[in-house]
Amino acid sequence: EIVMTQSPATLSVSPGERATLSCRASQSISSNLAWYQQKPGLGPRLLIYGASTRATGISARFSGSGSGTEFTLTISSLQSEDFAVYYCQQYNNWPPTFGQGTKVEIK
Amino acid sequence: QVQLQESGPGLVKPSDTLSLTCSVSGASISGSYWSWIRQPPGKGLEWIGYIHSSGTTHYNPSLNSRVTLSLDTSKNQFSLKLTSVTAADTAVYHCARGSPVPDNWGQGALVTVSS
Repeated sequence: EIVMTQSPATLSVSPGERATLSCRASQSISSNLAWYQQKPGLGPRLLIYGASTRATGISARFSGSGSGTEFTLTISSLQSEDFAVYYCQQYNNWPPTFGQGTKVEIK
Repeated sequence: QVQLQESGPGLVKPSDTLSLTCSVSGASISGSYWSWIRQPPGKGLEWIGYIHSSGTTHYNPSLNSRVTLSLDTSKNQFSLKLTSVTAADTAVYHCARGSPVPDNWGQGALVTVSS
């Protein structure tokens, strides 16, 4: 099973600033990586798939990059609605596995 | 707008069977993949398995012997059964559309395993 490691666990950012979240896979997953946003009491919301393709309706301030084992989610200018937990997920191998999440909080 | 809603008992006794149903509105379950993912309190997400509208299923090997997914096209629902549960199965259970990258998720249902 592929292990996904996210860093940092918590990221404190001021509104309007840029946030950079990292995700590392225990072995190469090509570009088979997705990012999700989750707010309390809700299911995750798909942001990015294929490492860099935004899902339908997702703001351009969200961007993904990387391939192989190292991936990054960048939020260019944090808005109030962006404060949440973010998960990466690999789907190169079965079963799909998730990172432990990065909580983006208001600084 | 596709909406998914989980339903079922919130409390299950150890060694019993956990049963949940996902009701889908805004889309037909025909022609798509439907998944279950769970989230133990304070922990990350764990994939349980998926079912295609054709009836094909694929389960996480860690749960394979205990899981059964099924669907009811007449009710536009799909279901999860997990047998021989223990406290380790306590989690929020999410149903979702799509596999392996779900694009719509239910809000989740908390199931506690306790006597």
